[in-house]
Amino acid sequence: QQPVQSPQAVILREGEDAVINCSSSKALYSVHWYRQKHGEAPVFLMILLKGGEQKGHEKISASFNEKKQQSSLYLTASQLSYSGTYFCGTKGYGGATNKLIFGTGTLLAVQP
Amino acid sequence: NAGVTQTPKFQVLKTGQSMTLQCAQDMNHEYMSWYRQDPGMGLRLIHYSVGAGITDQGEVPNGYNVSRSTTEDFPLRLLSAAPSQTSVYFCASSPTGAGGLDTQYFGPGTRLTVL
Repeated sequence: QQPVQSPQAVILREGEDAVINCSSSKALYSVHWYRQKHGEAPVFLMILLKGGEQKGHEKISASFNEKKQQSSLYLTASQLSYSGTYFCGTKGYGGATNKLIFGTGTLLAVQP
Repeated sequence: NAGVTQTPKFQVLKTGQSMTLQCAQDMNHEYMSWYRQDPGMGLRLIHYSVGAGITDQGEVPNGYNVSRSTTEDFPLRLLSAAPSQTSVYFCASSPTGAGGLDTQYFGPGTRLTVL
């Protein structure tokens, strides 16, 4: 089942912070985050493992709460280049090793 | 390396026509997959393959067929196109062997319109 992301869309001014949430109804082994610029292919940002590990990418970090089957992506001091659609991809237990189910996406627009 | 390539970039079909979307990768990745992207629906998994000769269904497989005769190629076939298949299609590949922690590399996409 497809994970649900919130919010669906967010508009920021440069320098502001944002949080994107990803929630699954299934037990998760890992969560992957991708960003897609308009008209382009999704690009990998980071992977989070069970255990609540936090990963970082530039000023973007994320957390993973295995018990709640949730992950959050934190964008601090946003830049114009952060604009795009963010997807979480979830990996459950069992099944094909690399099989990812992606969420519904969150559109982020950063304005000057 | 060219990475993941997809052809064509754009395609317009009439209802009932068939066609094949091509996907190839030159990274020797075992895992390949097809997604469709529709507004508000995110990326939905159509079919995937864990290696040559092995394929399986994803979340939305109806109306699509796949085969994997080589490691490099993973074509997606639309048997009888319907307007509901209008979408952007992405092919992705990833290496295996790291317990599911490997990055997926996406192709540039094929924008398909069915009239």
